[in-house]
Amino acid sequence: AQSVTQLGSHVSVSEGALVLLRCNYSSSVPPYLFWYVQYPNQGLQLLLKYTSAATLVKGINGFEAEFKKSETSFHLTKPSAHMSDAAEYFCAVTVSGGGADGLTFGKGTHLIIQP
Amino acid sequence: DAGITQSPRYKITETGRQVTLMCHQTWSHSYMFWYRQDLGHGLRLIYYSAAADITDKGEVPDGYVVSRSKTENFPLTLESATRSQTSVYFCASTGGGTGELFFGEGSRLTVL
Repeated sequence: AQSVTQLGSHVSVSEGALVLLRCNYSSSVPPYLFWYVQYPNQGLQLLLKYTSAATLVKGINGFEAEFKKSETSFHLTKPSAHMSDAAEYFCAVTVSGGGADGLTFGKGTHLIIQP
Repeated sequence: DAGITQSPRYKITETGRQVTLMCHQTWSHSYMFWYRQDLGHGLRLIYYSAAADITDKGEVPDGYVVSRSKTENFPLTLESATRSQTSVYFCASTGGGTGELFFGEGSRLTVL
């Protein structure tokens, strides 16, 4: 079975600083990987996804993530944090292309942006 | 508008009562899912469905019942609510492909 570990339940950065949210996965077969963002009292919105094409994936709102098979990682980055980036971020994995089994989620990282 | 809608958005009930959370999607997606979100646990899969009349248990199915008589609807029922079922419940769907899920806005349930 696949699993996801997000390092750090809370991450605090200053506005304009680099954002780095860490995600490591465990999977016996090539995975599909996702980052979702959740704003207060809302559902989850897809930021970006890795589907075995390019290892560097660009998403919405200036975020990107790099798939590193050797490190089993899929860390999320943004060069310059904005106050509007404050939210909960979830990394997720599936090995069943087609969505048959849903996604397995990490526990989430709460991103705090300091003015 | 096309999308996935959940109702009610907020619900307060008492221990032992039956509660049904509704989920409706307009994309004709084959797959639908129910997750619960709890602090410190992230999202955990309760039940999922691959098509009408096909459902399967997820990670935390105890105390929940689902049905899917029509492709677009996937209600979740708590037959006898317990305090431990206080949570935010999310419905999601996908048409397949890479497995990207589309989420509803969530239903916040409080069991007193």
